[in-house]
Amino acid sequence: DIQMTQSPASLSASLEEIVTITCQASQDIGNWLAWYQQKPGKSPQLLIYGATSLADGVPSRFSGSRSGTQYSLKISRLQVEDPGIYYCLQGYSAPWTFGGGTKLELK
Amino acid sequence: QVKLQQSGAELVKPGASVKLSCKTSGYTFSTSYMSWFKQIPGQSIEWIGMIYAGDGGTGYNQKFKGKATLTVDTSSSTAYMDLSSLTTEDSAVYFCARGANWFAYWGQGTLVTVSS
Repeated sequence: DIQMTQSPASLSASLEEIVTITCQASQDIGNWLAWYQQKPGKSPQLLIYGATSLADGVPSRFSGSRSGTQYSLKISRLQVEDPGIYYCLQGYSAPWTFGGGTKLELK
Repeated sequence: QVKLQQSGAELVKPGASVKLSCKTSGYTFSTSYMSWFKQIPGQSIEWIGMIYAGDGGTGYNQKFKGKATLTVDTSSSTAYMDLSSLTTEDSAVYFCARGANWFAYWGQGTLVTVSS
């Protein structure tokens, strides 16, 4: 199975701050990478798919990038509604696998 | 609009089976994939498998083969997941989500608690 190593595990940031979360794939997955946000007691919400494409209705302060097998999610200006747990998901080779998650809190 | 409505919470005894449902609306169910996921509270998410509603073709995470069985009823636009021989390790929230690789639409989740 492809391993997705996500970092950091937790993160505390201030409003308007730039936040970056990364996922390292254990092998090449091309652009088959998505990012999700999950809030307590809710289902995940798709933010980014295809490594860099913004999902419908997602604010433009979210962006995704790729460098080889490392993928990043950037929040350009942290807002009050952004805290939650963020997950990456590879959809290149079954079984699809998630990263361990990053818990983002407001400082 | 697209909706995925999952069945309610279940409390089941060890060794029993349970069938979860995911009733859909707002899109063409019969030409879509449905995937299922497991999340133990406080932990990350696991992909269980997926089913193509058009022909019932399935793909499973090897970890869940023999544990989960995915089916669909196209007449009611509903997907089902049977979980068998339940143990306490199967206690989790189970989600359905439309799609095969990217999941923009999710059910609200069903909490399954396995306890004697």
